[in-house]
Amino acid sequence: KAGVTQTPRYLIKTRGQQVTLSCSPISGHRSVSWYQQTPGQGLQFLFEYFSETQRNKGNFPGRFSGRQFSNSRSEMNVSTLELGDSALYLCASSLNEESYGYTFGSGTRLTVV
Amino acid sequence: GESVGLHLPTLSVQEGDNSIINCAYSNSASDYFIWYKQESGKGPQFIIDIRSNMDKRQGQRVTVLLNKTVKHLSLQIAATQPGDSAVYFCAEKRETSYDKVIFGPGTSLSVIP
Repeated sequence: KAGVTQTPRYLIKTRGQQVTLSCSPISGHRSVSWYQQTPGQGLQFLFEYFSETQRNKGNFPGRFSGRQFSNSRSEMNVSTLELGDSALYLCASSLNEESYGYTFGSGTRLTVV
Repeated sequence: GESVGLHLPTLSVQEGDNSIINCAYSNSASDYFIWYKQESGKGPQFIIDIRSNMDKRQGQRVTVLLNKTVKHLSLQIAATQPGDSAVYFCAEKRETSYDKVIFGPGTSLSVIP
């Protein structure tokens, strides 16, 4: 079966712009989590969604937001981009809100210039 | 920020030898631990997990040991192969109002042919 699909794979944006990243989980998986990965901070938890509801949110500013649709697909949005937002953004899916053996996508590499 | 700590950031092992990757965690309330492997250009891949009511769990060529007394987790890889070269992350699920999974900083494993 198809894995977790993240689009786009690469993105270059200018400071002050906004960006939307997309994640399609494995078919049948209803929980989606987002992580930011940087060399300095490692994998930092952004948010978790299950059945279109945000279950948890990490310690990120309000510029970072997300949502989940009825088909379990998820998007995350970053507004007013800063240079420090340059990172690999990873989406992970799991069967439900009590499954933690995540399947990750290959990520979206965001570069802010 | 929140993190699960690792003792060594890098590890070099001769092909065929056994590898041991260590992880220290700080939250005694964590009840589930996972090891992930991340190869260059890919998202983390689930390797093995263990619940806090267990001390040891074995998979194919991998063993995870959990010592709750000293809050220590280790991943043992038997007969290390070049394909095992990657960054390994331990992660813990924390019992909060909404569960979330926190990743450690990672250990880079290099296999010497």
